[in-house]
Amino acid sequence: EIVLTQSPATLSLSPGERATLSCRASQSVSSYLAWYQQKPGQAPRLLIYDASSRATGIPARFSGSGSGTDFTLTISSLEPEDFAVYYCQQRNSWPPKLTFGGGTKVEIK
Amino acid sequence: EVQLVDSGGGLVQPGGSLRLSCAASGFTFSNYWMSWVRQAPGKGLEWVANIKQDGTEQYYVDSVKGRFTISRDNAKNSLYLQMNSLRAEDTAVYYCARLKGGNLFDCWGQGTLVTVSS
Repeated sequence: EIVLTQSPATLSLSPGERATLSCRASQSVSSYLAWYQQKPGQAPRLLIYDASSRATGIPARFSGSGSGTDFTLTISSLEPEDFAVYYCQQRNSWPPKLTFGGGTKVEIK
Repeated sequence: EVQLVDSGGGLVQPGGSLRLSCAASGFTFSNYWMSWVRQAPGKGLEWVANIKQDGTEQYYVDSVKGRFTISRDNAKNSLYLQMNSLRAEDTAVYYCARLKGGNLFDCWGQGTLVTVSS
């Protein structure tokens, strides 16, 4: 089973600041890494897939990078609506037993 | 508009059973793998099960294997999760999700809460 480790667990930042979130896989997932955003009381929303492709309707301030085992989600300038929990997910395994990272909470400083 | 509506959650005693449903609309349901994902209170996301477009393949997280069964009815655009022998640790919000390419969660239901407690 591929294990995803996200860091930090919590990121305290102010609106307008840059956020950098990390996701590390226990073995290579190639570029098959996605990022999701979840706000309290809501279902997750797909942000980034295949490491760096933005999903439909996602603002350009969200960007993803990385390959193999190390990945980064960057929010270039935090908007008030970006304070949420972010999860990474790998889709490189077969049979398709999918795994998520433990999440990073981006909170207002 | 693509939409998934989850239902069927509730309070159940340990050892009991519950059946969750997910009604899909706005897309060709039979063209997609579908999945259930759960989230225990205050915890992260955990994938539970997947089912292929025609229902011929299903995959489960080890902790629910032998207790949960994922199924679908393409004529009714519906996904199901039959949960038996429920345990306290199964308490969670359960989300139905559409899978793009068989393994990317691109659309989610609103979730339904399952509480296992005596």
